[in-house]
Amino acid sequence: EAGVVQSPRYKIIEKKQPVAFWCNPISGHNTLYWYLQNLGQGPELLIRYENEEAVDDSQLPKDRFSAERLKGVDSTLKIQPAELGDSAVYLCASSLGSTGELFFGEGSRLTVL
Amino acid sequence: GENVEQHPSTLSVQEGDSAVIKCTYSDSASNYFPWYKQELGKRPQLIIDIRSNVGEKKDQRIAVTLNKTAKHFSLHITETQPEDSAVYFCAASIGGGNKLTFGTGTQLKVEL
Repeated sequence: EAGVVQSPRYKIIEKKQPVAFWCNPISGHNTLYWYLQNLGQGPELLIRYENEEAVDDSQLPKDRFSAERLKGVDSTLKIQPAELGDSAVYLCASSLGSTGELFFGEGSRLTVL
Repeated sequence: GENVEQHPSTLSVQEGDSAVIKCTYSDSASNYFPWYKQELGKRPQLIIDIRSNVGEKKDQRIAVTLNKTAKHFSLHITETQPEDSAVYFCAASIGGGNKLTFGTGTQLKVEL
């Protein structure tokens, strides 16, 4: 069974440019998460979806970040415009329900120049 | 909100020795405490978890203990092996769900 799939694995952009990350969760997992992981730090939750509904986006910087999960399966996370401080690894995770084990993807490493 | 502190930030042990990583949490309502292992450039993976209705859980060479009164929990790895080398993160959540607050991680190095 495939795990959580993310793309791209690496992205280098100049500041003020837009960037988008894609996530395909484990089949059947209705709960999807986007986490931000800065170097040397633990993951920090950005947004959590239950099916297609964003049930917790309190930590998402809404001025430049947006996310969607239109059909309750795949999800995209967008940053526009990117800033230098956005350089980090963006992790997607999924679980079966909000109390099931959390499975992470390999992450998308963003470098903003 | 919840705040999780983790110590030490780095830990070096000799192969075969034990390793202990400690975390404290701030919100007494937290009741789910997982531990994740993250190898360099890889995804975090759950290695063990504990819920607040038990004080200790063991799985082969790893164990986790929880002290609700003191609001701290610890990861114990016995008979360490080189493949145990990784960053370990503790986490805590309220309601047993997956709104996890992570610690800052411990870089464990097992030396031959």
